[in-house]
Amino acid sequence: DVKVTQSSRYLVKRTGEKVFLECVQDMDHENMFWYRQDPGLGLRLIYFSYDVKMKEKGDIPEGYSVSREKKERFSLILESASTNQTSMYLCASSTSGQGDYGYTFGSGTRLTVV
Amino acid sequence: DAKTTQPTSMDCAEGRAANLPCNHSTISGNEYVYWYRQIHSQGPQYIIHGLKNNETNEMASLIITEDRKSSTLILPHATLRDTAVYYCIVRATGGSSNTGKLIFGQGTTLQVKP
Repeated sequence: DVKVTQSSRYLVKRTGEKVFLECVQDMDHENMFWYRQDPGLGLRLIYFSYDVKMKEKGDIPEGYSVSREKKERFSLILESASTNQTSMYLCASSTSGQGDYGYTFGSGTRLTVV
Repeated sequence: DAKTTQPTSMDCAEGRAANLPCNHSTISGNEYVYWYRQIHSQGPQYIIHGLKNNETNEMASLIITEDRKSSTLILPHATLRDTAVYYCIVRATGGSSNTGKLIFGQGTTLQVKP
């Protein structure tokens, strides 16, 4: 019954590496989001997308980029990973249509940059 | 988007009702109240949302005051598995806000005790 799938549960990368975090949803949702979650800071929005090939910056986009080539897939890219990007990354999707506007979240990817 | 205020933490005895309050005194007429919860090491989970009428689903009930400046999430018979961080969020839907972007605060940590 999994609807938002994040490719990795745990990931360890080295400083300076290019990192791809993948997210796939099977609910035909228009909107997809990437958050990071850190102790004491809560969930912070990095980027979101409301359509294929469309993207908008969230509150903390620095050091990140995103790609949405297909409706079901939204990738978060760390061009050159740094230790301050060690965090839990959460992907979510939602619909813009009528009805429930709730988000569906993935299980998260815990990224450690060493 | 309107800001919400929640208590940092609450305790509840197993089997009893858990009543989680939220203040949103600056809520606008087109803003909904959403509740999510996050169990440790998992992604947030949508619980319920409402505009001005009380709402109930299989998980919880949402009571919104007549002036809409506050609301209460009720878990009727709390279990140990309901121990989580509960987030109250207000957000407009429709029109230019159709992406349904949600901003998470710090939430209330609910501890259900045996």
